[in-house]
Amino acid sequence: DGGITQSPKYLFRKEGQNVTLSCEQNLNHDAMYWYRQDPGQGLRLIYYSQIVNDFQKGDIAEGYSVSREKKESFPLTVTSAQKNPTAFYLCASSIREGFGGYTFGSGTRLTVV
Amino acid sequence: AQSVTQLGSHVSVSEGALVLLRCNYSSSVPPYLFWYVQYPNQGLQLLLKYTSAATLVKGINGFEAEFKKSETSFHLTKPSAHMSDAAEYFCAVSDRGTDKLIFGTGTRLQVFP
Repeated sequence: DGGITQSPKYLFRKEGQNVTLSCEQNLNHDAMYWYRQDPGQGLRLIYYSQIVNDFQKGDIAEGYSVSREKKESFPLTVTSAQKNPTAFYLCASSIREGFGGYTFGSGTRLTVV
Repeated sequence: AQSVTQLGSHVSVSEGALVLLRCNYSSSVPPYLFWYVQYPNQGLQLLLKYTSAATLVKGINGFEAEFKKSETSFHLTKPSAHMSDAAEYFCAVSDRGTDKLIFGTGTRLQVFP
């Protein structure tokens, strides 16, 4: 079955470390997205990519970086510059034509220890 | 810019009672509209979507939503709540011709026996 796989499900980071969250999709979707979810704040867009080798900043890109070297993969790096990284991170993808909404991964919970 | 407002961050109903979750959007042009459900520590799952066909949209798990242009609303309803409906629900809107979704802040539904 097609879908989006996020790994790991739980991740612990020491202060000052960079960590990378994985997102892989086999839906042949062109566009991919990263959201951050905090209690009571809904979903906030970090980065998105509509084609390979191209991506744009979302509303809260500071302290994060991404790459899109393959259509299937859109990893997110949480850098040490992100001062409050503890959150639930969601990856999503969509087709570009005939817009039908997003398909989401199951999320990664990142905790700073 | 598009925006979406979900009235009520928490809604509580008894099992068997009507579920009504409110969503209003801001747009002069009818957008695409979506409802998603999120269970704890999971990603978002598409419940239903409005893309300018029928104004009454039926989704999964017995949910439906009605697009009302005059009220700029897309409220989610279910005639009879079940314990398994307890989750967080997100309304989302997109501009026609774009891929990005704007999410509301979510409504947490509690169902009491």
